[in-house]
Amino acid sequence: NAGVTQTPKFRVLKTGQSMTLLCAQDMNHEYMYWYRQDPGMGLRLIHYSVGEGTTAKGEVPDGYNVSRLKKQNFLLGLESAAPSQTSVYFCASTLPGFSYEQYFGPGTRLTVT
Amino acid sequence: GQQLNQSPQSMFIQEGEDVSMNCTSSSIFNTWLWYKQEPGEGPVLLIALYKAGELTSNGRLTAQFGITRKDSFLNISASIPSDVGIYFCAGLPDSGGGADGLTFGKGTHLIIQP
Repeated sequence: NAGVTQTPKFRVLKTGQSMTLLCAQDMNHEYMYWYRQDPGMGLRLIHYSVGEGTTAKGEVPDGYNVSRLKKQNFLLGLESAAPSQTSVYFCASTLPGFSYEQYFGPGTRLTVT
Repeated sequence: GQQLNQSPQSMFIQEGEDVSMNCTSSSIFNTWLWYKQEPGEGPVLLIALYKAGELTSNGRLTAQFGITRKDSFLNISASIPSDVGIYFCAGLPDSGGGADGLTFGKGTHLIIQP
């Protein structure tokens, strides 16, 4: 049982390049989330999904797109990377209902030059 | 949106000391969670609180859900070097359905001096 995994762990992009971050969970969780973490800013929600085939915007969605084609996977895409998107990205998942306790992946450190 | 005020922002303590940190909000929360993040890792859930007044322990960690439902506290007793990290509070607002996730504090950075 791996929990929540993220690939890649590190990536460097040039401005304007595109990439996709993959999140996978094996806990059969319904809800999945993408956050970014910047120094002094805490965790900020980018997009989330409440089930296969559904996505919704969070607090800071601009410049990102997401897809949830399978229940266990949640993809975060950057179509045209900008230096402001340099950050650490975390995926999380939860089984909704009682507690909404979220379980996090190890993160992807992205640098855009 | 909802905001959580977490304090202190950082703590420099000696090994063996007790640690206290807290989170406050202007609105009511139904659930309080405390996470720890170590360098290069994702946040890991330490303690979950579901009822006002609830006091829950996990080893040397003790957390409380405030009676007003607008705050929560985390205490660490007899700190050791592996306690170093960033501690985040997170909550589920009373007004929210939970689908758009938790509200997070900005973290307390705990540094232990030998």
